[in-house]
Amino acid sequence: AQSVTQLGSHVSVSEGALVLLRCNYSSSVPPYLFWYVQYPNQGLQLLLKYTTGATLVKGINGFEAEFKKSETSFHLTKPSAHMSDAAEYFCAVSERSSASKIIFGSGTRLSIRP
Amino acid sequence: NAGVTQTPKFQVLKTGQSMTLQCAQDMNHNSMYWYRQDPGMGLRLIYYSASEGTTDKGEVPNGYNVSRLNKREFSLRLESAAPSQTSVYFCASSASLPSSWDTQYFGPGTRLTVL
Repeated sequence: AQSVTQLGSHVSVSEGALVLLRCNYSSSVPPYLFWYVQYPNQGLQLLLKYTTGATLVKGINGFEAEFKKSETSFHLTKPSAHMSDAAEYFCAVSERSSASKIIFGSGTRLSIRP
Repeated sequence: NAGVTQTPKFQVLKTGQSMTLQCAQDMNHNSMYWYRQDPGMGLRLIYYSASEGTTDKGEVPNGYNVSRLNKREFSLRLESAAPSQTSVYFCASSASLPSSWDTQYFGPGTRLTVL
């Protein structure tokens, strides 16, 4: 069965600092991996996803994530945090053989200090 | 293009009352989904619909019913609300038949409180 673990329910960084949000997954078959972002009082929107091919995936707003099969990880990074990045971030995983069954992590709230 | 819309935005119910959450999408998507979001638990799938006329259970379907009224609309009904159903409910849609790689587009959510 697939699962996803996000390490740290709350991460706080200074404006301009590196953002690193951690995600580890469990899947019995090659996974599809996603990062979604949720701004206050809004629905989720896709930041980036890994389906196949290049393991370093670039998304919107300067975010990127790297699929590391050996570490079963898909950590989200951004070199320089901006105040507008404050939001909740969800990692999600689905199995290629399991249509529609996307499993979301519990979320990481990112705060940006001025 | 409004994307995915949900009504109402907020609702307070008493235990035992019923209500229907409405969802509509204008992107001509085939698949639609209902999730609930609870603190510290991420999103959990309640029901989904692969196409007009079909629905399937997700992870937490108990206490809910759904109707895929047409390609655009997918409603969620609580027949007898319970405090455990206090949550934020999100509707989502995706273009193709349920595909594990397809991007889902979310509505703004309905915040439901059951007293």
